[in-house]
Amino acid sequence: AQKVTQAQTEISVVEKEDVTLDCVYETRDTTYYLFWYKQPPSGELVFLIRRNSFDEQNEISGRYSWNFQKSTSSFNFTITASQVVDSAVYFCALILGRGRIQGAQKLVFGQGTRLTINP
Amino acid sequence: EPEVTQTPSHQVTQMGQEVILRCVPISNHLYFYWYRQILGQKVEFLVSFYNNEISEKSEIFDDQFSVERPDGSNFTLKIRSTKLEDSAMYFCASTPGTGPQPQHFGDGTRLSIL
Repeated sequence: AQKVTQAQTEISVVEKEDVTLDCVYETRDTTYYLFWYKQPPSGELVFLIRRNSFDEQNEISGRYSWNFQKSTSSFNFTITASQVVDSAVYFCALILGRGRIQGAQKLVFGQGTRLTINP
Repeated sequence: EPEVTQTPSHQVTQMGQEVILRCVPISNHLYFYWYRQILGQKVEFLVSFYNNEISEKSEIFDDQFSVERPDGSNFTLKIRSTKLEDSAMYFCASTPGTGPQPQHFGDGTRLSIL
């Protein structure tokens, strides 16, 4: 069975600080995909990034960066110079590479980390 | 940019009543999903749907639930005999094809059972 763990329930930092959100996953499959979604206070789910299991290259997008390490089954997310608008719940999620039933590409979500950026 | 739309944004229903949550997936997408998020908890998969039939369903998706694509654009989730514990945010999502593509989520319907 696959599982995603986000051990940090809540994080609170002051604006402009860097913050890292941890994500640890479990799967026996060798092919899988990891995602991060953002859920702002308005409630919608916003896709941030997808990373496949064969690509361990870190990615940077503006103030966001992601560190994928297969050796520790982790896919951590760092926000540099945080801003108040970054306040949200962030979810890490997993999809297996091959659905056992065509079209069965369900996302398995972690519990989420509530990030609060204080001015 | 095309988006998934869900209606209503908030539904209040008496316990025991039936409720239908509606979704319009992105027009060229072929795979559709429903997820549920109980307040303050994680997002949980309910069901996936392709080619007019259920592809996969979770343990949560019991006989109380059903999905339907009544026409070429809508995708509905019906909950019969609603219970208090059905109160949650329900998200619809879609993808253009199979494979691990990002699922595009609607803004959700907040269901409140009284």
